Amino acid sequence: QKEVEQNSGPLSVPEGAIASLNCTYSDRGSQSFFWYRQYSGKSPELIMFIYSNGDKEDGRFTAQLNKASQYVSLLIRDSQPSDSATYLCAVNRHVGWGKLQFGAGTQVVVTP
Amino acid sequence: DVKVTQSSRYLVKRTGEKVFLECVQDMDHENMFWYRQDPGLGLRLIYFSYDVKMKEKGDIPEGYSVSREKKERFSLILESASTNQTSMYLCASIGDTEAFFGQGTRLTVV
Repeated sequence: QKEVEQNSGPLSVPEGAIASLNCTYSDRGSQSFFWYRQYSGKSPELIMFIYSNGDKEDGRFTAQLNKASQYVSLLIRDSQPSDSATYLCAVNRHVGWGKLQFGAGTQVVVTP
Repeated sequence: DVKVTQSSRYLVKRTGEKVFLECVQDMDHENMFWYRQDPGLGLRLIYFSYDVKMKEKGDIPEGYSVSREKKERFSLILESASTNQTSMYLCASIGDTEAFFGQGTRLTVV
């Protein structure tokens, strides 16, 4: 079992709709959770982080964390073609931003 | 405003060669990381460093070593390159509330 699992996609989303991405993790003691976006041929860039159960909103992005169920999700509202990318979920066993376990990523395609 | 720079974008090396991948950051971060990224496997941690001259193994350190003689520079060394080390290599520099990756080095071992 992989430590961090994501559906590979592609997830096809109409422009203006909500994209919902899910990520599950195996280490119940994980403390820090991150979402990175990676455009094709580019390096990952951080878009969200969350430490506590519940929702965290930043612009069109909302991260949701449920430690009891061991999943973290990312919602992208009002999806735009520029949101087409691979989204990587990353988990840290410790509080902080250091050593991360990454999922393989979910490809999102926003169609006009 | 480039924050993390990797020495090469593309690299082709022969089997058995010693390969050096360099990473430099300008943010005075203590934490630096080397990952490799392969299709379907995501990013896997090779080595990381929390301070100058300090290094720790990640999940897949076999066949690799690292060097951190200065805070801003973290080098990944392939002691004897093999074809299964063909991959995209990504360096990351991470502070308390920010994280940046370099542009990546696509290494092909032939």
